Amino acid sequence: ETGVTQSPTHLIKTRGQQVTLRCSSQSGHNTVSWYQQALGQGPQFIFQYYREEENGRGNFPPRFSGLQFPNYSSELNVNALELDDSALYHCASSWGGRASTDTQYFGPGTRLTVL
Amino acid sequence: AQRVTQPEKLLSVFKGAPVELKCNYSYSGSPELFWYVQYSRQRLQLLLRHISRESIKGFTADLNKGETSFHLKKPFAQEEDSAMYYCALSRNRDDKIIFGKGTRLHILP
Repeated sequence: ETGVTQSPTHLIKTRGQQVTLRCSSQSGHNTVSWYQQALGQGPQFIFQYYREEENGRGNFPPRFSGLQFPNYSSELNVNALELDDSALYHCASSWGGRASTDTQYFGPGTRLTVL
Repeated sequence: AQRVTQPEKLLSVFKGAPVELKCNYSYSGSPELFWYVQYSRQRLQLLLRHISRESIKGFTADLNKGETSFHLKKPFAQEEDSAMYYCALSRNRDDKIIFGKGTRLHILP
């Protein structure tokens, strides 16, 4: 059984650019959630995908979008990057589509720096 | 709006001493509450949830609805308990999880 993986580990972008972060779910999991963690803050829920459909969204603008693929891997896309988008982005996979009752397994995170 | 407050950014405790990490929440309903932990250079992981009423690594947490608190406790701290701890809340089983800002627990030798 493989754990949740994320790529890349780190990346640096400039304001206005677009970025794609990737997540490979734990084997057998059909749900993925994305979180943003700014420095000194707790993780903040961005959205969740369950069986390739968005299944809940936090308070983030539309320039944050996602995809889940048939193999349940996932992407987080952020357009028109702003300085405040600099953060650690977590991906978490689970089974069952319920944000809270299903145990979420987190990836190692992707550190995004926007200059 | 729901909110999770962890009043201490840093808590230093001597090895063998009791540990209490404080968590208060604001929500008028019956939330589901969790503690997550992140050890150095490791990923975030679930430590325990109140509905399970379990003890993990010697830690317990009791939901006090009157005080809207969910403090994490351990009677005797161990050096390996040093980590970042996050309290989290969900309004119901289908809702998103809201995290507090976290408390860094530092166990002194």
